[in-house]
Amino acid sequence: QLQLQESGPGLVKPSETLSLTCTVSGGSISSSSYYWGWTRQPPGKGLEWIGSIYYSGSTYYNPSLKSRVTISVDTSKNQFSLKLSSVTAADTAVYYCARLPSDYDILTGYYVTGFDYWGQGTLVTVSS
Amino acid sequence: QSALTQPASVSGSPGQSITISCTGTSSDVGSYNLVSWYQQHPGKAPKLMIYEGSKRPSGVSNRFSGSKSGNTASLTISGLQAEDEADYYCCSYAGSSTSVFGGGTKLTVL
Repeated sequence: QLQLQESGPGLVKPSETLSLTCTVSGGSISSSSYYWGWTRQPPGKGLEWIGSIYYSGSTYYNPSLKSRVTISVDTSKNQFSLKLSSVTAADTAVYYCARLPSDYDILTGYYVTGFDYWGQGTLVTVSS
Repeated sequence: QSALTQPASVSGSPGQSITISCTGTSSDVGSYNLVSWYQQHPGKAPKLMIYEGSKRPSGVSNRFSGSKSGNTASLTISGLQAEDEADYYCCSYAGSSTSVFGGGTKLTVL
């Protein structure tokens, strides 16, 4: 059974960089059939897609966060990571990692079909 | 990339059917049959209920169904049960390997 687990500091100071890692177990992060992504959910609010990565290292980011986000992958450790720089209180949220199955057709090219496995989420609070 | 539009809340009685709408644009919902729906209970991670517009993952009840017309996708839950009370989110593929979520809908089972 595939499992994803987020890890990282639960408290980050304003203007600093938030760093989280997602460890994948029960499956390989190097599979060509999946992307791996990060979403977040501020307290009492909705979900927001942050970005996704393919095992090759290709990355795709939410335009609203692109200038501050870096997602990377370490296939040797079966992990992928999120860095969000210059954080403010507005970045306080539960951060989730997830798997995204992908497919290909000649009209669409490569595409993702949804988030099928999720980590349990980790609350990151931005505060001094 | 703007968030998809969902009603803030819907409600229904046990046994009834409800439908949650998810309105996007011709750049996301309207361009692809790649809307997914998620159920989220308080304090829990979201759970995939529908993918590729109308497909159900293994283990998801056939009381959940999805459809699309133009720029609007819909999730229908038939035979409402108490355990269906949760928040529901839609998500659409938006091209170039990007995704966009809806604002979420709180379902209350009366």
